Amino acid sequence: KAGVTQTPRYLIKTRGQQVTLSCSPISGHRSVSWYQQTPGQGLQFLFEYFSETQRNKGNFPGRFSGRQFSNSRSEMNVSTLELGDSALYLCASSLSPGGNQPQHFGDGTRLSIL
Amino acid sequence: AQSVTQPDIHITVSEGASLELRCNYSYGATPYLFWYVQSPGQGLQLLLKYFSGDTLVQGIKGFEAEFKRSQSSFNLRKPSVHWSDAAEYFCAVAKRVGGGADGLTFGKGTHLIIQP
Repeated sequence: KAGVTQTPRYLIKTRGQQVTLSCSPISGHRSVSWYQQTPGQGLQFLFEYFSETQRNKGNFPGRFSGRQFSNSRSEMNVSTLELGDSALYLCASSLSPGGNQPQHFGDGTRLSIL
Repeated sequence: AQSVTQPDIHITVSEGASLELRCNYSYGATPYLFWYVQSPGQGLQLLLKYFSGDTLVQGIKGFEAEFKRSQSSFNLRKPSVHWSDAAEYFCAVAKRVGGGADGLTFGKGTHLIIQP
């Protein structure tokens, strides 16, 4: 069974631009969560989607948004990029929402802001 | 708010020696508990999880962890480490009540270095 696939693996953008990252979950998994990983703040929860609806959102500004499609694939968008948005963005999928559903992570998208 | 503390930023262990990585959590009720491992340039791989029952849980790659309610701890152990165990290890918790709200809360991680 294929794992969680994130594209692209690397991105370089400049301040003020916007970016879209993509995540394909494990087949059969319907819940997708996004995390930001930085050296300073560590791993932080961005949001979770299930059945095309955002169920939870972390403490991030409105510039960070996402969506989920009917096939459970998910995208996240960051608008008006800032230098501090440079990070590894990780997507995780699980069968369904709930703390007792182990999350399986992709290899991430490394976003660099110049 | 729930929090996870991994007191050791770096740990160096000789190959073949035993390992224990510490994790303490702060939460009103016992959360779901997880350990993940991250190799350079890769995502996180689930090592093991604790939901309920036996407080000693077995995971992949020869790892085990023990949940101690009285100490709010969930320490990860391995009897004999291999050079391939060098990686970043993260302890994480998820809310038991209220479902998956707020996602996983992670500790800052422990960087494991293996000496030959």
